[in-house]
Amino acid sequence: DVKVTQSSRYLVKRTGEKVFLECVQDMDHENMFWYRQDPGLGLRLIYFSYDVKMKEKGDIPEGYSVSREKKERFSLILESASTNQTSMYLCASSPHPRDTAYEQYFGPGTRLTVT
Amino acid sequence: AQTVTQSQPEMSVQEAETVTLSCTYDTSESDYYLFWYKQPPSRQMILVIRQEAYKQQNATENRFSVNFQKAAKSFSLKISDSQLGDAAMYFCAYKKGGATNKLIFGTGTLLAVQP
Repeated sequence: DVKVTQSSRYLVKRTGEKVFLECVQDMDHENMFWYRQDPGLGLRLIYFSYDVKMKEKGDIPEGYSVSREKKERFSLILESASTNQTSMYLCASSPHPRDTAYEQYFGPGTRLTVT
Repeated sequence: AQTVTQSQPEMSVQEAETVTLSCTYDTSESDYYLFWYKQPPSRQMILVIRQEAYKQQNATENRFSVNFQKAAKSFSLKISDSQLGDAAMYFCAYKKGGATNKLIFGTGTLLAVQP
């Protein structure tokens, strides 16, 4: 079974702090993703990575950065946390998009509260 | 731009009954995939069912089936013999075919199952 793990289930940070959210997958997937989930808005893509050190902006990259130094690990960084970044953050990984059995596999999520 | 619409924010079904969740999408592509994801209260999102646009036959996975109406751009999920464990948030998602990684999600439908 594919396993995607996230470093924390719940996190409370103060405004202005630098925040790191870590994600690890164990299926040797090329692609990894960070989403944020807000009520009534569904999932919105922040960033994704299609290879080590490669990344692409998603729909809402402002205020975030990412790092992928190893294939299995993808980090989301909030350089200076703000209250409007309070949300559920979901990490996902996937095989190559041309894979006929393509799906994204999700981690359990990190509920981040910025006060 | 592609969009996915789930017009039912919440639904309720009696145990053992059948329920249908609606999803419509907008695309000008001919090659694409559609997905239904389930997010139980524990938050780990899992794939329920996948449909390739080129396949005319509706996908089925045990008690879950879809009604894929390509011309109408409709992709509804039918859950038969509903069980308490089916209570979850359900997301419809779209992916363009080819090398595109990006999933576009609807806003979700929260399904309650009444005993």
